[in-house]
Amino acid sequence: GQQVMQIPQYQHVQEGEDFTTYCNSSTTLSNIQWYKQRPGGHPVFLIQLVKSGEVKKQKRLTFQFGEAKKNSSLHITATQTTDVGTYFCAGPFLHNTDKLIFGTGTRLQVFP
Amino acid sequence: DAMVIQNPRYQVTQFGKPVTLSCSQTLNHNVMYWYQQKSSQAPKLLFHYYDKDFNNEADTPDNFQSRRPNTSFCFLDIRSPGLGDAAMYLCATSRGPMGGNQPQHFGDGTRLSIL
Repeated sequence: GQQVMQIPQYQHVQEGEDFTTYCNSSTTLSNIQWYKQRPGGHPVFLIQLVKSGEVKKQKRLTFQFGEAKKNSSLHITATQTTDVGTYFCAGPFLHNTDKLIFGTGTRLQVFP
Repeated sequence: DAMVIQNPRYQVTQFGKPVTLSCSQTLNHNVMYWYQQKSSQAPKLLFHYYDKDFNNEADTPDNFQSRRPNTSFCFLDIRSPGLGDAAMYLCATSRGPMGGNQPQHFGDGTRLSIL
């Protein structure tokens, strides 16, 4: 079936190292959104990218949307312990924009 | 502050005993969603409302029902909870139509345990 996959599933890094999670959809997305869920918390919206090839930055976070609008990435530079959590990409398929399809998520652990 | 509020934060029920989870919002958003999230998994959409229009996901069990009496409130009813229904239930809202093109705002969730 149509799905959105993320790799890696888990990532453990030393504080100060960089981190990247990749998001791949089986079908074209209308847009891509990224959410962060802290342990025990709820998903919190980070950013939305709409245009093919779009790149956006939020401080140490860089988000990209692929040219074909089927993949995306989130890169964190110089991780901090506050970056700990699970990062989900999510997007509506082009043929059904009523709802988001969440990616499988990448859990980030940062060791001080 | 405008927000999405879920009550209760923790709910314990007995196997087979009906339970209702509630969600309210002050964002005045058209669309309200109910998700089920199990440990280490992504949120799984159960159903959503665009205003009063109800949209059920094809794989949502009949055991799960929902009501939206007005813009602000939405309820999730589990008629006969089984052990497999133990999970975090998340309510979210977004502007509509085409809620997938808008950011979603989540409540803190209700963690449901089944005895």
